Parts: sequence; C-alpha cells; structure tokens
Amino acid sequence: KNEVEQSPQNLTAQEGEFITINCSYSVGISALHWLQQHPGGGIVSLFMLSSGKKKHGRLIATINIQEKHSSLHITASHPRDSAVYICAVLLSESGGGADGLTFGKGTHLIIQP
Amino acid sequence: KAGVTQTPRYLIKTRGQQVTLSCSPISGHRSVSWYQQTPGQGLQFLFEYFSETQRNKGNFPGRFSGRQFSNSRSEMNVSTLELGDSALYLCASSLLLAGVGETQYFGPGTRLLVL
Repeated sequence: KNEVEQSPQNLTAQEGEFITINCSYSVGISALHWLQQHPGGGIVSLFMLSSGKKKHGRLIATINIQEKHSSLHITASHPRDSAVYICAVLLSESGGGADGLTFGKGTHLIIQP
Repeated sequence: KAGVTQTPRYLIKTRGQQVTLSCSPISGHRSVSWYQQTPGQGLQFLFEYFSETQRNKGNFPGRFSGRQFSNSRSEMNVSTLELGDSALYLCASSLLLAGVGETQYFGPGTRLLVL
C-alpha cells in the first residue's frame, strides 16, 4: 500500500493554464516536500511544508494536515515548467517513524506552447 | 557556493561486482542522504549520514552500505551487484539532519547499469 498517493499521474496542458497537482498521504507526518525533477534526473526542492501555504514566484503549495492532503499549484504555466513533480513526506513518530522521506510516484507534467 | 557533486555520473558493472559511489555535499552541510530511483519503485530512501554516523536507514539489504568522512563527503557501496540494482542513485545534502525537516539539495545522480 502506497502511503503517498499523487494525482494525476500524467498531465498535459497548454501554456498559460493554471495547474494543480495533488498529494494525499495516509499516516501522520512531520513535514511534506514538493520536488521537481527535470529530464536527465536533477532534482530541485521546491517547498517544505508542515502547515498552511507557501508561495515562490508562480508556484504555490498548500497543506491541510487534518485532511492529510497537499496541493501544488502553478500559475501562468510555461513550457519550462515541464517536469516530474514529486511529493515526499517525513513520517512523524505516530506515523511510523522518521526513517527518511517516503515518496509519491510523481506527476509527469507537460506544458505545450 | 558549489552544489552537490556526485561521481561518477555513469557506471556500467556486471552482476556480482561491487561498486562505490561518491557524494560531495554543499560546503558547510553536515548531512548526506542517499536515494535510489528506479522506474518501477520510484524514489526510495537508502540511508542518511550526519557527522560521520548513520542516523537513519531505509529498507534495503545489507549489500548496500555507506560511510561519511570528517569533511562530510560520503560514499555508498553496493556489493554483489544484482540486475535490479540498476538505477539512478541520488545523494542530497542539508545543513542539519534531514529527518527534522531540513531542505535537501540534490546532486545530479549516478546512473548505474548492471549487466
């Protein structure tokens, strides 16, 4: 059973569209990360959240601890946003311990010009 | 500041051999975590080292091991390679323990192919 579920798995959109990627988890966590991976493998950490909302440029990340759900939004999407977006959680003690990050399978995003 | 570097970037080995991968963290970072990424399993946590001590370990067999040196550089070793060990191996560094929710900075990865 996957403790971290992402949706959608694949998303193709037109340049300028508002993008939402969702992440749900089933256990208690102490932090949630959103990561971006470009073709070739390089990973960039976008956000780390334990509550509320964070914004960086056109990217917004929110988390609802009670509902065990987080969303990553991209406003005014651009072809350079095309990448795999990965949600990862750090389990809390009640969630089973903090033995490193547990990852979702990722969302493959393609933004067409 | 220079980013996280990993060497080598690409590696081809045969079954039964052993391999050592290297990771140099961002200057001043004391924690290095290692991850394996495969098409089937996605990203999985291998282990984390902080101040030369293994602090956390993922669910991997004992063939996977690592160490960290006093300058925070880290190596991971895989012995008796199996075909299923073919993967992208990523390391990430952070100032403090990643387990307390620190932002991690990832290296470019080492792509290992086992034949």
